[in-house]
Amino acid sequence: DTAVSQTPKYLVTQMGNDKSIKCEQNLGHDTMYWYKQDSKKFLKIMFSYNNKELIINETVPNRFSPKSPDKAHLNLHINSLELGDSAVYFCASSRFLAGGVDTQYFGPGTRLTVL
Amino acid sequence: AQSVTQLGSHVSVSEGALVLLRCNYSSSVPPYLFWYVQYPNQGLQLLLKYTSAATLVKGINGFEAEFKKSETSFHLTKPSAHMSDAAEYFCAVSDHAENQGGKLIFGQGTELSVKP
Repeated sequence: DTAVSQTPKYLVTQMGNDKSIKCEQNLGHDTMYWYKQDSKKFLKIMFSYNNKELIINETVPNRFSPKSPDKAHLNLHINSLELGDSAVYFCASSRFLAGGVDTQYFGPGTRLTVL
Repeated sequence: AQSVTQLGSHVSVSEGALVLLRCNYSSSVPPYLFWYVQYPNQGLQLLLKYTSAATLVKGINGFEAEFKKSETSFHLTKPSAHMSDAAEYFCAVSDHAENQGGKLIFGQGTELSVKP
């Protein structure tokens, strides 16, 4: 009965590889997000999707490409991984509020380590 | 642009003592404010939120926060700390545009330690 789930929980890979992180929510929300938490625990939004449509795209290298096959899923694909990509990536979901921000529910995170 | 500052990256209290975690915000519009808690190796869990209703907001696990517009603050308190409160706490402010939904701007986080 997990609300927001992510796979994998841990991901260790070599520089230059391509990897994907998957996210699924069963809360019936129509908005999903990707956040990055760095080694100092600072959290920053990367992307937001509403009804499979990209609505927020922060200053993120174009090696990062989100994909939303349906409202319940938001995947993150990363090409040509770099050492600086090492971080914990959190998926979140919420209802969409025009002109507002509803409570966001977070997944358990995916710890990515690039060697 | 909206921003959040959390004073003190690390706070240590004794079990049973008052917990006070400070958060100041900057917002050009009436803000929505949130406190989230992150336990080790876990995701973030909402403690409480302020959305322009009552200025004193009660959350889960005995936590509460008071919105003070004049001080642009939203400090988190708990009367009596418990060992299980040891975690990282994040204050966040909403940043939203009409018909574009919104995102959360997080503070730097405050690590709470509770001593027996």
